[in-house]
Amino acid sequence: EVQLVQSGAEVKKPGESLKISCKGSGYGFINYWIAWVRQMPGKGLEFLGVIYPGDSDTRYSPSFQGQVTISVDKSINTAYLQWSSLKASDSAMYYCARQTSGYFPYHYWGQGTLVTVSS
Amino acid sequence: EIVLTQSPGTLSLSPGERATLFCRASQRVSTNFLAWYQQKPGQPPRLLIDGASSRATGIPDRFSGSGSGTDFTLTISRLEPEDFGMYFCQQYGTSPLTTFGGGTKVEVK
Repeated sequence: EVQLVQSGAEVKKPGESLKISCKGSGYGFINYWIAWVRQMPGKGLEFLGVIYPGDSDTRYSPSFQGQVTISVDKSINTAYLQWSSLKASDSAMYYCARQTSGYFPYHYWGQGTLVTVSS
Repeated sequence: EIVLTQSPGTLSLSPGERATLFCRASQRVSTNFLAWYQQKPGQPPRLLIDGASSRATGIPDRFSGSGSGTDFTLTISRLEPEDFGMYFCQQYGTSPLTTFGGGTKVEVK
């Protein structure tokens, strides 16, 4: 069974750093892109970026380039999303999702990680 | 970047009624690589339709997608109580980069 399991909720202060994770299981992790999607409270879905674990090829949405960093540790089937200096506006639910190489939508999603940034 | 605009923002309907949701792209979506998702509170999105008109595995046939180019439609033929929630469209013709629409809320009238 394909599963994407994300790390737990985080409460941080502005200016702090954070790294959240997404662990894949039940499939060949290195052969599928992992995407990160933001959902601010009561709002829509926003694509942040995507990484291919096989070769760490990483692409970012122009809106989020430089704002977040996506990485992967294929030895433990885990992708990461990190911030070096959080802002209150980073408060949101963050989802990871799996994408088959080529032109495919997201069939599998993680359960989400809620990030709250507040002083 | 392709911008997707969904309408209406909110659709107020009763169970048993037909729901029609729209998604318009700022430029042609390559090979109709357009998906629809349903999302309920506290849950991740669930894929309903891909390739503009193909139902994903396990999706009831009351859900149907149509359209091409820049204009796409999701139709729910007869709303069931479990169909109320948020709906998003996504274009993946620029994969692995992608964009989502702002969403339509289908609520009980």
